Amino acid sequence: KNEVEQSPQNLTAQEGEFITINCSYSVGISALHWLQQHPGGGIVSLFMLSSGKKKHGRLIATINIQEKHSSLHITASHPRDSAVYICAVKTSGSRLTFGEGTQLTVNP
Amino acid sequence: ETGVTQSPTHLIKTRGQQVTLRCSSQSGHNTVSWYQQALGQGPQFIFQYYREEENGRGNFPPRFSGLQFPNYSSELNVNALELDDSALYLCASSFVKGEAQYFGPGTRLTVL
Repeated sequence: KNEVEQSPQNLTAQEGEFITINCSYSVGISALHWLQQHPGGGIVSLFMLSSGKKKHGRLIATINIQEKHSSLHITASHPRDSAVYICAVKTSGSRLTFGEGTQLTVNP
Repeated sequence: ETGVTQSPTHLIKTRGQQVTLRCSSQSGHNTVSWYQQALGQGPQFIFQYYREEENGRGNFPPRFSGLQFPNYSSELNVNALELDDSALYLCASSFVKGEAQYFGPGTRLTVL
């Protein structure tokens, strides 16, 4: 079993829909990252969370430390949101352990 | 734009060869981590360098080695390439150990 599990693996939505991607982890962490990866490989850090909730534009990330669970929400989704979204947890030092990613496709 | 660059963008090698991948971090970023991402999978931690010393290593054999230089650049060296080494190699740097990491665009290595 992976230390970081994401669901769903693939998600297709229509433009405007509210999207939720989930992340569960089984290890002790000091922080959790949500990352976005576009075709070609470049990774952009969206959020780093250690508790509660953060919001940036149409993106919202929440974390429940007791339940070892985090969610990434996208409101009013747009085709440009299509990408792979990766959850990664910070364990010892700066080492990140990654989930396998959720492929999101938003259709116009 | 994260300010982290990697070279080359793409690379094709044959089995048994050696390869050097390069990463240039933002000025002042004294921590750099390298990750391997196989197709369809999440990245896997290779190792981290802090102030030019190795500071943690993932489950990769010794033929994966690295260097970090005082000018905030670093290298990943892989000897005796195997077909399974084909992957996207990402570097990520941070200003302070343990803080948010900034990822480079990656180098896609193909081993034939």
